[in-house]
Amino acid sequence: KAGVTQTPRYLIKTRGQQVTLSCSPISGHRSVSWYQQTPGQGLQFLFEYFSETQRNKGNFPGRFSGRQFSNSRSEMNVSTLELGDSALYLCASSLVGGTWPNEQFFGPGTRLTVL
Amino acid sequence: GQNIDQPTEMTATEGAIVQINCTYQTSGFNGLFWYQQHAGEAPTFLSYNVLDGLEEKGRFSSFLSRSKGYSYLLLKELQMKDSASYLCAVPEGGKLIFGQGTELSVKP
Repeated sequence: KAGVTQTPRYLIKTRGQQVTLSCSPISGHRSVSWYQQTPGQGLQFLFEYFSETQRNKGNFPGRFSGRQFSNSRSEMNVSTLELGDSALYLCASSLVGGTWPNEQFFGPGTRLTVL
Repeated sequence: GQNIDQPTEMTATEGAIVQINCTYQTSGFNGLFWYQQHAGEAPTFLSYNVLDGLEEKGRFSSFLSRSKGYSYLLLKELQMKDSASYLCAVPEGGKLIFGQGTELSVKP
């Protein structure tokens, strides 16, 4: 079974631009969560999607948004990029999510650099 | 909200045993996860504890004390490949809250 895939793996943008990252979950998994990882803040939860609906949201500004498609693939968008948005963006998929234990399988991440 | 504390760095010798601690504060408890993350790679699941006590899985064991808000990950017979960041995480509602991670360096 293929793992979680994320594209692109690396991205360089400039301040003020916007970016879209993509995540394909493990086949059969319906929950997709997004995390931002930085050296200073560690891994921080952005949001979770299930059945095309945002089910949980972290404490990030509205510039960070996402969506999920009917095939469970998910995208996240960051508008008006700031230098501080430079980070590793990780996506994790799980079967249904919402209850625990709920093992999340992480993708390799997208390394975003904002210049 | 959740508050999770782990040591930032630890160093240990190949073949030795190391214990990585994690303390947490939570309003509702739904278990505790440990993940391993090698540099430049995705976190991978190590263990999940929801009941008090020790759970052993090969060279890795995880312990939980709910009354003390405390967990540890025990790594035995350390190998060089165990050099990685170890992340403790607790659920809050439908999301997973991670500690800052403990960077473990295994020296020959």
